[in-house]
Amino acid sequence: KQEVTQIPAALSVPEGENLVLNCSFTDSAIYNLQWFRQDPGKGLTSLLLIQSSQREQTSGRLNASLDKSSGRSTLYIAASQPGDSATYLCAVGQGGSEKLVFGKGMKLTVNP
Amino acid sequence: NAGVTQTPKFQVLKTGQSMTLQCAQDMNHEYMSWYRQDPGMGLRLIHYSVGAGITDQGEVPNGYNVSRSTTEDFPLRLLSAAPSQTSVYFCASSYSGDRGPANEKLFFGSGTQLSVL
Repeated sequence: KQEVTQIPAALSVPEGENLVLNCSFTDSAIYNLQWFRQDPGKGLTSLLLIQSSQREQTSGRLNASLDKSSGRSTLYIAASQPGDSATYLCAVGQGGSEKLVFGKGMKLTVNP
Repeated sequence: NAGVTQTPKFQVLKTGQSMTLQCAQDMNHEYMSWYRQDPGMGLRLIHYSVGAGITDQGEVPNGYNVSRSTTEDFPLRLLSAAPSQTSVYFCASSYSGDRGPANEKLFFGSGTQLSVL
C-alpha cells in the first residue's frame, strides 16, 4: 500500500528565505506527483504536477523535483513571502488507478 | 468560470439525520470525487466517479452514498449521520486523460464543514 509522508509537519521561517519542502513515498511505481496548497478554510489548489518521465517542473518561484528511485520529491520556494503561508500537500498518482494518495501536509508560516 | 462549487459551506446535523452535500463543476470533467479531511488523518477518498452513471468506492465509503446522473453534478448523501462523520468534506474533479484521472491536475471545491451532534 502506498504511503506518502511529509516531514516536518510544520515550519516557521522569516521572510526571504529559500525553502525546501519534502515529500517521500513508499512505492516508486507512480505516474505522477502533485503539489497542492491549502489556505485556511479553503480547498486545495494544484501548484505543480510532475509526470514520472519528468525530473522537475517550475512555476514562478516554485520548483518541484521528482526522484522516483529514491521515493522523494521536493518543492523549492524561492525568496519566501508572508503570502506563501499555507499548508502544502503532496499526492501521488498511480497507473491504472483513479485515486491519488495524499500526504498529511506541512503547515508553512512565513514571518514578515 | 466557477470551477467546482460545493454547497452548503457549513452544516450542523443531529445524530440519525440525513442530508445531501451538493457538488457541481462546469469544466466538463469526467472524473469527480469526494474526500473527507480530518486532523491527523489527511485527505481520505470516500467515493469517486469516472463518468455519468459510473461510481465506485474509495477508502472510507461506509455511511455515504453517491450517484452521478449528469457530468456536472456529484452529490454525496449521508444516510444516517453519526458523530464520526464530523469532518470537512471536499469535492474534486479532473479530466480522465489517456492514463486515467489520477494523472491529471485535480481541482477542488472550497469544502463543506459538517458537524454531527
